[in-house]
Amino acid sequence: GQQLNQSPQSMFIQEGEDVSMNCTSSSIFNTWLWYKQDPGEGPVLLIALYKAGELTSNGRLTAQFGITRKDSFLNISASIPSDVGIYFCAAYLSTSGTYKYIFGTGTRLKVLA
Amino acid sequence: DTGVSQNPRHKITKRGQNVTFRCDPISEHNRLYWYRQTLGQGPEFLTYFQNEAQLEKSRLLSDRFSAERPKGSFSTLEIQRTEQGDSAMYLCASSPTVSRGYTFGSGTRLTVV
Repeated sequence: GQQLNQSPQSMFIQEGEDVSMNCTSSSIFNTWLWYKQDPGEGPVLLIALYKAGELTSNGRLTAQFGITRKDSFLNISASIPSDVGIYFCAAYLSTSGTYKYIFGTGTRLKVLA
Repeated sequence: DTGVSQNPRHKITKRGQNVTFRCDPISEHNRLYWYRQTLGQGPEFLTYFQNEAQLEKSRLLSDRFSAERPKGSFSTLEIQRTEQGDSAMYLCASSPTVSRGYTFGSGTRLTVV
């Protein structure tokens, strides 16, 4: 099935560093979302973005909905060990009865204490 | 409310056997979704329900797969004549009608041997 492209695929960082990851698509979407998944668990919603250009924060997390509606990025400031996990972007589009909600390929984050 | 509950957490079955998974969504959520996730990939959409109506099905949902939500509450996903390629994590999520953020369960990990 179709998936969004995320980069980087994985990253190792030192505790305290800032992290940046992004997500791109060839299609336009009208909602972008970011989820975090821990091993053996389902994804947990972190941030949802509803308007092109929107910048939203949730604690140390900041995400932006790209103005082209084809991309989004997520920043994590001052990383801590519990930030370890897989981060998925997701995008949503509903037009004329067609529903599309797809996930990215994931960015695996490891934080070195 | 304890969130989205999925049972069983793990299922090992022999090829050719039928399996059924159950999902109990958050009680006030009228939308319910099934996703499949294989190792190293993001969740892939299978199907979704609004109340008891199944509104969309992915092409991934072959005729061996069937999902029901008989009273608009819990849902079941059945796979008949399982194949090794069916081995994956099956995730259930729910949401209120107007929300685009999902609450996921912990998933059922299926291994077909």
